[in-house]
Order: sequence, then C-alpha cells, then structure tokens
Amino acid sequence: SQELEQSPQSLIVQEGKNLTINCTSSKTLYGLYWYKQKYGEGLIFLMMLQKGGEEKSHEKITAKLDEKKQQSSLHITASQPSHAGIYLCGADGAFNKFYFGSGTKLNVKP
Amino acid sequence: SAVISQKPSRDICQRGTSLTIQCQVDSQVTMMFWYRQQPGQSLTLIATANQGSEATYESGFVIDKFPISRPNLTFSTLTVSNMSPEDSSIYLCSVVKGFMNTEAFFGQGTRLTVV
Repeated sequence: SQELEQSPQSLIVQEGKNLTINCTSSKTLYGLYWYKQKYGEGLIFLMMLQKGGEEKSHEKITAKLDEKKQQSSLHITASQPSHAGIYLCGADGAFNKFYFGSGTKLNVKP
Repeated sequence: SAVISQKPSRDICQRGTSLTIQCQVDSQVTMMFWYRQQPGQSLTLIATANQGSEATYESGFVIDKFPISRPNLTFSTLTVSNMSPEDSSIYLCSVVKGFMNTEAFFGQGTRLTVV
C-alpha cells in the first residue's frame, strides 16, 4: 500500500501569514492530489501533480512535486480565515485506489 | 466531472442495527470506492465496489460487517451492519472516471453516530 506522511499534523497561523504543508511518500508518486475538507463536508479537489518538478497554483495556493516524485508541498500565501480546514494529500495506488495522508488541520486566526 | 449524491447526509442509530448508505453518480464511472473517516483521523479505504461482482475489501474490513452492492455503473450502497459506537464516523463515497492518474470525485459524506 502507499504510505503517505503528512506534516505538520496541525497548524495555527495568523491571518496574512504564509504556511507550508508537506506530504512525503514511501514510494515514487505517479499522481499526487491535494484536497481540502471542511468539517463535516466532502472533499474539495485542489490540485493534481504528476511530473517531477511540477508546480501548480490556484489563487493563493501553490503545490509542488519534487524531482524524485516522492515529496510534495502545499504553500498558502497570505492566509485567510477561508483557508481553514483539513488539507489532505492523496496518491494513486494500484487499480486506481487512492490512499491519503493523515491530514493537516489548519486554523487561521483573524 | 461527476456529481455524486450521497444519502443520508447524517443519521443517529441504535447499536446493533444496520444502516445502508447510498451513492448515486450522474454519469457512468469506472471505479467506485467507500472510505471511512473516524473522528480525528484521515480517510481510510474500506473497499472498492465492483460492478456486477463482489467488492474488494481492504485489510481490516470484511463483507459481513460492510456489505457493498454495485448493481450498475452509477450506483452503489454501503451497509454498516450490527453497529457499535466504534462505527461512528463519516463515510464517503468516491468515484474515478477513466483510468490511472485521473481526478477523483467525492460525495458529501454520511455522518453516522451510533448510540
């Protein structure tokens, strides 16, 4: 199975500050996904990365996949209260199964 | 894209009873999965729902406890049987369209509380 380690487990930042969440895999990643989950709701797809060195941005969120395709980072610039939630990285396993990291709980203080 | 309707959105059940959760997709999908998210934990894959055949269960999950049906390419059910308080979780249906490295879509989840 795919082992995904996510750090930190939780994060509290002041509004306007930048932050980074990391996701490390025990195996080479062929598809790395970032999701956001608000409490009690379904997952929201943020970004998918496939190529080594790939970087994607959406609004104030940037995700990167390293050249070796074993580590990804999610960076939020100038955080806002609307960014609060649980961020999950996920990866493709065999037969299109998805495996998830342990999640990072983000709180943004106004 | 895929729009997933998952029902019920939440329920409170007595221990020893069973609950069936439905997942309806607005288009035919290749793969359907069921996940559980226990309080404070990440999502855990329960099983892959296979159309026309028995579901494939992950380690730690068995058919007697979590029977799954998938009668066609747009619908699946997950039953949580003989419930105990430890089954209190959010259960999520997920679908994948196409094959490797494609986007996954998720239902809104079913919040189950067993008392």
